[in-house]
Amino acid sequence: GEDVEQSLFLSVREGDSSVINCTYTDSSSTYLYWYKQEPGAGLQLLTYIFSNMDMKQDQRLTVLLNKKDKHLSLRIADTQTGDSAIYFCAESGEYGNKLVFGAGTILRVKS
Amino acid sequence: DGGITQSPKYLFRKEGQNVTLSCEQNLNHDAMYWYRQDPGQGLRLIYYSQIVNDFQKGDIAEGYSVSREKKESFPLTVTSAQKNPTAFYLCASRMGGRGPQHFGDGTRLSIL
Repeated sequence: GEDVEQSLFLSVREGDSSVINCTYTDSSSTYLYWYKQEPGAGLQLLTYIFSNMDMKQDQRLTVLLNKKDKHLSLRIADTQTGDSAIYFCAESGEYGNKLVFGAGTILRVKS
Repeated sequence: DGGITQSPKYLFRKEGQNVTLSCEQNLNHDAMYWYRQDPGQGLRLIYYSQIVNDFQKGDIAEGYSVSREKKESFPLTVTSAQKNPTAFYLCASRMGGRGPQHFGDGTRLSIL
């Protein structure tokens, strides 16, 4: 079945760039998403990319997609302490009804 | 403000008891979803509904039930048949077609 894998933990210094990586197995994935979860809260949609795109940039966030290797990354420029959270990668097919999530990457930003 | 409201934020269940989690959205979204989140794991889909009066099982539907009598509302009942109900439950919704899913703030369910 489908599977999404992420590294469990990333620690960076305030002001540095963070890169969170994700790999997925479903070659029919159509949309790939990044969500952010702060403690005790729900998931906040950060950005998403359609599978025919290589890159998407939105202010401090850059998403890169390597469809051949089924590899997705999220780069956060000028990381701030408020960026400390769990980041989830997810993929879906064309109609987006079933999201398959990774286990999440805990991002810790040190001041 | 438009959004997805889940209530209560915290819920406690006694052994053998059914409990119902509320999810309401005023985004005029067609589809609604229930996920379960366990510590250190990603979210798993319990049930989803694409239109009123219709819903489909997700990956872990056993021990849960839902209804979709109104477009705005998609309550989840955790029945006594669910032997390990302690988890964080998240509701999501999205516009019909291909839009992304948006999430509520969750309900944390614990066993007394």
